Amino acid sequence: DIVMTQSPDSLAVSLGERATINCTSSQSVFYSSNNKNYLAWYQQKPGQPPKLLIYWASSRESGVPDRFSGSGSGTEFSLSISSLQAEDVAVYYCQQYYSTLTFGQGTKVEIK
Amino acid sequence: QVQLVQSGVEVKKPGSSVKVSCKASGGTFRNHVISWVRQAPGQGLEWMGGIIPIFATANYAQNFQGRVTMTADESTRTAYMELTSLRFEDTAIYYCARGAISGWYRAYFDLWGRGTLVIVSS
Repeated sequence: DIVMTQSPDSLAVSLGERATINCTSSQSVFYSSNNKNYLAWYQQKPGQPPKLLIYWASSRESGVPDRFSGSGSGTEFSLSISSLQAEDVAVYYCQQYYSTLTFGQGTKVEIK
Repeated sequence: QVQLVQSGVEVKKPGSSVKVSCKASGGTFRNHVISWVRQAPGQGLEWMGGIIPIFATANYAQNFQGRVTMTADESTRTAYMELTSLRFEDTAIYYCARGAISGWYRAYFDLWGRGTLVIVSS
């Protein structure tokens, strides 16, 4: 199975500042035949199920604020929150769907 | 509004089985994979497997092969996940989630149920 590793495990950022979470896959999740990276990002708040933020590595789900953006290709990916808001406090997970589905271990984002 | 509505809390003894349901209201059901993802207390997300109702065949994660059975009833738009030979470490929230890509087992999830807490306790 593809192992997904996120860094850091936790992150404290001041309100209005940028937060960046990294996700590395143990093998490429890029499919050359359709030029797509099979990588998604989710946000999970306490007591709630995960919520889809980003798919195909950089496509934002409908209704997700544009301060959230995804980037990267192959094995290296990032999720950025351009201006952290109080409601963004959550755990964030990356997930690959190139092969047997696997998730990163999660990154907890807090307010500094 | 499309929703996945899951069954309620279950308390089970070690060695027993649990069957969790996930009913889809509105939207498409039969063509999209319904996957099951579990989350142990304070831990991350673990994919267990999924089923595409129209195909009626399931794809299971290796960690759960032989212990899990996923089924779907198109007439009631309900998916089920049964886990047998329960262990203490199976205590977790079990989520159903809909794959966003029609006909694909390997997909990202655009819709999640609220989760079913399964407690394994003697």
